[in-house]
Amino acid sequence: GAVVSQHPSWVICKSGTSVKIECRSLDFQATTMFWYRQFPKQSLMLMATSNEGSKATYEQGVEKDKFLINHASLTLSTLTVTSAHPEDSSFYICSARDRTGDGEQYFGPGTRLTVT
Amino acid sequence: GENVEQHPSTLSVQEGDSAVIKCTYSDSASNYFPWYKQELGKRPQLIIDIRSNVGEKKDQRIAVTLNKTAKHFSLHITETQPEDSAVYFCAAPGRTSYGKLTFGQGTILTVHP
Repeated sequence: GAVVSQHPSWVICKSGTSVKIECRSLDFQATTMFWYRQFPKQSLMLMATSNEGSKATYEQGVEKDKFLINHASLTLSTLTVTSAHPEDSSFYICSARDRTGDGEQYFGPGTRLTVT
Repeated sequence: GENVEQHPSTLSVQEGDSAVIKCTYSDSASNYFPWYKQELGKRPQLIIDIRSNVGEKKDQRIAVTLNKTAKHFSLHITETQPEDSAVYFCAAPGRTSYGKLTFGQGTILTVHP
């Protein structure tokens, strides 16, 4: 149980284009999903908290117009990186919190984004 | 918000030895303390967690201890094996209603055969 999928697992895009990453909870409902960014050999940095049916809450310093988050259902959240630049290249990981559990977060496998 | 400090940043042990990683947190409202293991290029995996109503929890070779007064919690791995080599992260939620976690900086554990 508690499986989170993420798609795509890796993507290469050209500078100026947009990329959408999907995060799905496969066997549980998640009212809250989180989006993290992780640079090599560094910790997970929370970008935003995504709540089903409402606007995402962004962490300080994260541009909401650049990183668009949509949490359309209890099992799906999407992150769109708009007008991507090489400095946006990173490992993006989502996590989902089981609404019926005690608050454990389960992580997706991550998406490696490379902007050329 | 919550601030989590993790030490050491790297830890090298011989197979069979014990490993201890310590985290301190700042917000006394934190009531849930998970530990994650992340292998290179993979997702963080929850390996053990503890809630603020207990002081210690054990699962086979892994244990976590919590000192609420001092605001620190530690991961203990006994009889380490080479497959325990990975990056370990601690986390704490602070006073949030959505379960947002603040992560420590991570510890690179290397177990030498």
